[in-house]
Amino acid sequence: AQSVAQPEDQVNVAEGNPLTVKCTYSVSGNPYLFWYVQYPNRGLQFLLKYITGDNLVKGSYGFEAEFNKSQTSFHLKKPSALVSDSALYFCAVFGGYQKVTFGIGTKLQVIP
Amino acid sequence: GAGVSQSPSNKVTEKGKDVELRCDPISGHTALYWYRQSLGQGLEFLIYFQGNSAPDKSGLPSDRFSAERTGGSVSTLTIQRTQQEDSAVYLCASSLAVGGSTGELFFGEGSRLTVL
Repeated sequence: AQSVAQPEDQVNVAEGNPLTVKCTYSVSGNPYLFWYVQYPNRGLQFLLKYITGDNLVKGSYGFEAEFNKSQTSFHLKKPSALVSDSALYFCAVFGGYQKVTFGIGTKLQVIP
Repeated sequence: GAGVSQSPSNKVTEKGKDVELRCDPISGHTALYWYRQSLGQGLEFLIYFQGNSAPDKSGLPSDRFSAERTGGSVSTLTIQRTQQEDSAVYLCASSLAVGGSTGELFFGEGSRLTVL
């Protein structure tokens, strides 16, 4: 079975500070990893993905994520947070079981 | 259409009634997924389709839930004899291939179901 863990229900960060939203995964074989964002009362939007290659992937809105195979992690990062980044963030994994499994989500609150 | 379309956007029903939720995926997307989002529960996988076939129905919570897809396009999620615990936002997503292996999932805005 494949699974995703997002250990923090909520992350608070001051505007302008760097942010990290954590994600760890469990899967057989090579993982495909994704981050999605959900703004209030909206559907999920794709942010970035890791399939293969460089462990640091860059995505939309200045976000990036680092794939760490030994730690089975795929943390989402941004060097300087904006108030408009406040949203619900989901990590997801596809490990070959023909479905995409999502984490429980982490609420990011950027404080002005 | 340009994106994944879901209807109705909101549905309020009485306990025991049947409901149908519709998803119209992006044209050409062969894979279609249904997820359920409840407060504090994250995204719960329900079922996915590859074409008109549903290889994995393991996420359906009970036999009151069923889904079909016709013509490799529109999908309908049906909940019979609704219960209050069925209240949630039902999200549909499509992708070019199963598992999003060639890219990401594209989500609709969801159908919010409230069972009184």
